[in-house]
Amino acid sequence: EIVLTQSPGTLSLSPGERATLSCRASESVSSSSLAWYQQRPGQAPRLLIFGASSRATGIPDRFSGSGSGTDFTLIISRLEPEDFAVYYCQQYGSSLLTFGGGTKVDIK
Amino acid sequence: QVQLVQSGAEVKQPGASVKVSCKASGYTFTNYYIHWVRQAPGQGLEWMGINNPSGDSTIYAQKFQGRVTMTKDTSTSTFYMELNSLRSDDTAVYYCTRGFCGRTSCYMEVGLYWGQGTLVTVSS
Repeated sequence: EIVLTQSPGTLSLSPGERATLSCRASESVSSSSLAWYQQRPGQAPRLLIFGASSRATGIPDRFSGSGSGTDFTLIISRLEPEDFAVYYCQQYGSSLLTFGGGTKVDIK
Repeated sequence: QVQLVQSGAEVKQPGASVKVSCKASGYTFTNYYIHWVRQAPGQGLEWMGINNPSGDSTIYAQKFQGRVTMTKDTSTSTFYMELNSLRSDDTAVYYCTRGFCGRTSCYMEVGLYWGQGTLVTVSS
């Protein structure tokens, strides 16, 4: 199975700052089949990005995804108070889906 | 609107089995895969497997092979996930989730719609 490694584990930033989250795959993810999710405490995950760079319906444009092959990035251009949460990447390019371990974005 | 409504919390003893349900509404039941994801307390998301209701096929994560069974009941538009030989580290919130179709492509494996989660506690 493809192992996804997210870094950093925790990102401490202030509102208005830019957040850069990384997701690295143990082998190439076919067709850029990578998604990003946001999860707030006590809630189900929320789909942000699919296909590595396409925003899901209703997701603000401060969220952007990029990358291909084994290296993917999620950028939040200017952090809003509601963006402090945990973010997960997921690959769906193989029949066995996998998630990364998550990056927590917390308030500095 | 699409809804996935899961069954309520369960408390089980080690070695027992649990069966979690996920009732789908607001769309044609057989048109979309359902997959199951779990999250242990304070931990990350873990994909368990996927059920294709139209072809009646399933794929399970290697970790759960032999211990999990994912089924469906088309008459009630309900999916089921049964996990056997429960251990304390199976304590988690279990989610069902579904993908979507855009104008030109379908993304069956991403989780756009999620159930509310079912807490399964394994304790003696």
